[in-house]
Amino acid sequence: AQSVTQLDSQVPVFEEAPVELRCNYSSSVSVYLFWYVQYPNQGLQLLLKYLSGSTLVESINGFEAEFNKSQTSFHLRKPSGHISDTAEYFCAVSEANFGNEKLTFGTGTRLTIIP
Amino acid sequence: DTGVSQNPRHKITKRGQNVTFRCDPISEHNRLYWYRQTLGQGPEFLTYFQNEAQLEKSRLLSDRFSAERPKGSFSTLEIQRTEQGDSAMYLCASSLRESDGYTFGSGTRLTVV
Repeated sequence: AQSVTQLDSQVPVFEEAPVELRCNYSSSVSVYLFWYVQYPNQGLQLLLKYLSGSTLVESINGFEAEFNKSQTSFHLRKPSGHISDTAEYFCAVSEANFGNEKLTFGTGTRLTIIP
Repeated sequence: DTGVSQNPRHKITKRGQNVTFRCDPISEHNRLYWYRQTLGQGPEFLTYFQNEAQLEKSRLLSDRFSAERPKGSFSTLEIQRTEQGDSAMYLCASSLRESDGYTFGSGTRLTVV
C-alpha cells in the first residue's frame, strides 16, 4: 500500500522569498504523483501532476515539482512566493496502472506568505 | 459543465439520526470517489465507483455507511445512526482516467450534535 508524508504542517515564507513544500512517498510499484491546493473556503484543486517522462513538472502559476525516484520525493517549489499562494497544499500518490486508482493524500502543509 | 456538485453544503444533525449526501459528477466522468476530511488531516478514501459498480470500500466505511451510484450518474452517501465522530467534511470527486487526477466538489460539512 502506498503512503505519503508531508513533514511540515506549516511553512511561513516572506513575500517574494522562495517556497519549498516537502513530500515523500512510499510505494512498492510505479506511481502517479499529484499536488493539490485548497484555498480558504474553497475545494481542492489540482495544481500539477507527474505521470511519466520528464521528472520536472510545472503548473500555470509558477509552481514546479520534481520527481526523484531514488529519494522517493516530489517536493513543490516556487522561486518567489506571492500573497495569493497562501493556502493548504496536499501531496497525493496513486499506484500507476495497477487497478488501484484511489489517491492517498498526505496530511497537508499550510503555506502562509507573509507581506 | 459546472464541475462536481455536492448537496447540501452543510448539514447539522442530532446523534442517532440518518443523513444522506448527494454528489453530481462531471457528466462524462465514469469514475466517482468519496473521501472524508477532518480538521488538520488530508482527505481519507472512503469508496470508489466506476460507472455504477462500487469497486473498493475503505475499512473506514463501517456498516453504518452505504454509498450508491445508480445508473452510473449521481451518487449518494448515507450514514445511519450518526455519531459525533462522523463530524467531518465529506468530499466527492470524479475523473475520466486515473492519470487525469480528480476534480473535487466543494464538499458537505456534517456536524453531529
